[in-house]
Amino acid sequence: SQQGEEDPQALSIQEGENATMNCSYKTSINNLQWYRQNSGRGLVHLILIRSNEREKHSGRLRVTLDTSKKSSSLLITASRAADTASYFCATASYSGAGSYQLTFGKGTKLSVIP
Amino acid sequence: DSGVTQTPKHLITATGQRVTLRCSPRSGDLSVYWYQQSLDQGLQFLIQYYNGEERAKGNILERFSAQQFPDLHSELNLSSLELGDSALYFCASSPLTGIRTGELFFGEGSRLTVL
Repeated sequence: SQQGEEDPQALSIQEGENATMNCSYKTSINNLQWYRQNSGRGLVHLILIRSNEREKHSGRLRVTLDTSKKSSSLLITASRAADTASYFCATASYSGAGSYQLTFGKGTKLSVIP
Repeated sequence: DSGVTQTPKHLITATGQRVTLRCSPRSGDLSVYWYQQSLDQGLQFLIQYYNGEERAKGNILERFSAQQFPDLHSELNLSSLELGDSALYFCASSPLTGIRTGELFFGEGSRLTVL
């Protein structure tokens, strides 16, 4: 079952513009992570934000988390053609027996036009 | 390169058949996770192993089974294959602290096509 739902499903921007993707989820989480997937390849971890954090930066990435609204956003600044990929949010929740489960949304497909 | 190795990369088989997908986690990672990615269902968590023991189960069908061996590599067995089983199957690994404090490292996936 999907925990996170990304919005929009697809986004097309010009190189140099900023790209913002949103993620909403339903249950309480331990942390929220964003992953990137180039077409047909494996997922690559971008950034993790813990439930007690509100904002985090990593290079051109900025992630925010609002646990009261159960939502997160990923901002990519000064986008490049190489940023073209699908971006997934994933929520980490305790699943019992000392284990945590990572549940992915369906992703936002970002196209950056040179 | 994530350090997670999956074989085979591509597999084409017929309905009713059985296949085995193999995963070698990153050196030192004790946890292995299997995910299925299809166009309509997105990324679905199937099963997790930790140091040889099953730790968590997701949306894994009874026709599917997995195990993790003493050398920590894992295999996902898919039997009585149906057309709807066509998908990308990902293996991911994580260190001891796992998802709670860190990320998953994904392999490049095994693309299964059932004809």
